[in-house]
Formats: sequence, structure tokens, C-alpha cells
Amino acid sequence: AQSVTQPDIHITVSEGASLELRCNYSYGATPYLFWYVQSPGQGLQLLLKYFSGDTLVQGIKGFEAEFKRSQSSFNLRKPSVHWSDAAEYFCAVGARSNDYKLSFGAGTTVTVRA
Amino acid sequence: DSGVTQTPKHLITATGQRVTLRCSPRSGDLSVYWYQQSLDQGLQFLIQYYNGEERAKGNILERFSAQQFPDLHSELNLSSLELGDSALYFCASSRGDRGADGYTFGSGTRLTVV
Repeated sequence: AQSVTQPDIHITVSEGASLELRCNYSYGATPYLFWYVQSPGQGLQLLLKYFSGDTLVQGIKGFEAEFKRSQSSFNLRKPSVHWSDAAEYFCAVGARSNDYKLSFGAGTTVTVRA
Repeated sequence: DSGVTQTPKHLITATGQRVTLRCSPRSGDLSVYWYQQSLDQGLQFLIQYYNGEERAKGNILERFSAQQFPDLHSELNLSSLELGDSALYFCASSRGDRGADGYTFGSGTRLTVV
């Protein structure tokens, strides 16, 4: 079965600094990959997704992610974080063999300091 | 507003009781997914309905059941509630029966069992 690992439980970053969140997946074929963000008390919002094609994907709020097949990774990046980026971020994987039911990583909490 | 509506937003009930959570999917979406989010288990897939029919089951307890009605809204019924059932319950929807485009999440129902 596919699995998703987000190695970092919590990351603190200064406002204006760059951010990278790691995501590794375990699956034989290329899955569908997603990043979601959850602000406190809110539902999950889709930031970006990867199905195929260009391995660098642009999303909303200035985020991007890069799919690296050789590393089974789909890391999320933002060049310059804003205080409003403080939230919990989830990587999710959908696989054809599981009808694309999304499996979520444990999440990474991002704190932004002034 | 994601277009997925969940009610109620908060629910406090006693052990042994039964509650019903309601979800209206985004307009045009035929699939509804239910997820449970707790601190120790993270986001766990419970069940999916597509156009009124059960499509997939995940880690759903026998005390829990769900259905999707002809107008496509869905209800998640939780019975014989235990303290450990306290969690955020999310509903998500997608256009087709395979959420390859990603899911749209509601803002969740926070259930507290006392």
C-alpha cells in the first residue's frame, strides 16, 4: 500500500526567508501527488497537484513543488514566507490501484517568526 | 468558502450517544469522502460515496455508518460514542468517482465526546 512520509513535524522560519517542506512517498508507479494547507480551525485547501509532465509544479499562494522520481519525493517550497503562511501542511498521495483515494502524511506545522 | 458545507461545526455529546454529521458537496461533485482527523491518528479515510452508492471503505468502525442521498448530500452517523471518537470529521468532494483532481474539503465538524 502507498504511504506518505513527512519527516519534519514542526518547522520554524523567519518571515521573508525561504521554506522547504519534505514529502516522501512509497509506491511502485508514479502516483498523483498533492499538497494541502490547513489553517487553524479551517479545512484543508489544495495548494497544488502533480499528475504528469513538468516535474516543477506551481500552485497558489506562491508555492511550488518538485517531483523527483529517483528520490520518491515531492517537496514543497516557497521563496519568501509571509506571516500568513503559518499553518499545517499535508502531503497526500493517490494511486491508480487504490482508485486515487488520498493517503495523507502526518503533516508539518510551520511557524513564522517576525 | 470551498463550496463544501458541513454542519454542525461543533458538537459536544456524552459517551454512548449517537450523532449525525451532515455534508453538502460542492456543486457538480458526485463523490463524497469522509475523513477523521485526530492528534494521534492524523487524517484517516473513512468512507467514500459516489452518486449515492458506497464506493470505498477505509478505517471506519462498525459503530459508524454513512449514506449519500439522491440530492448528493451525505450523512455520517456515529453511534455508541466513546471518548476516543473525539476528533475533527471532514467531508470532501470531487467531480468523479476517482479524486484524481484532488478533493475539496469542508471546514469540518469538531466532535467532543465527554
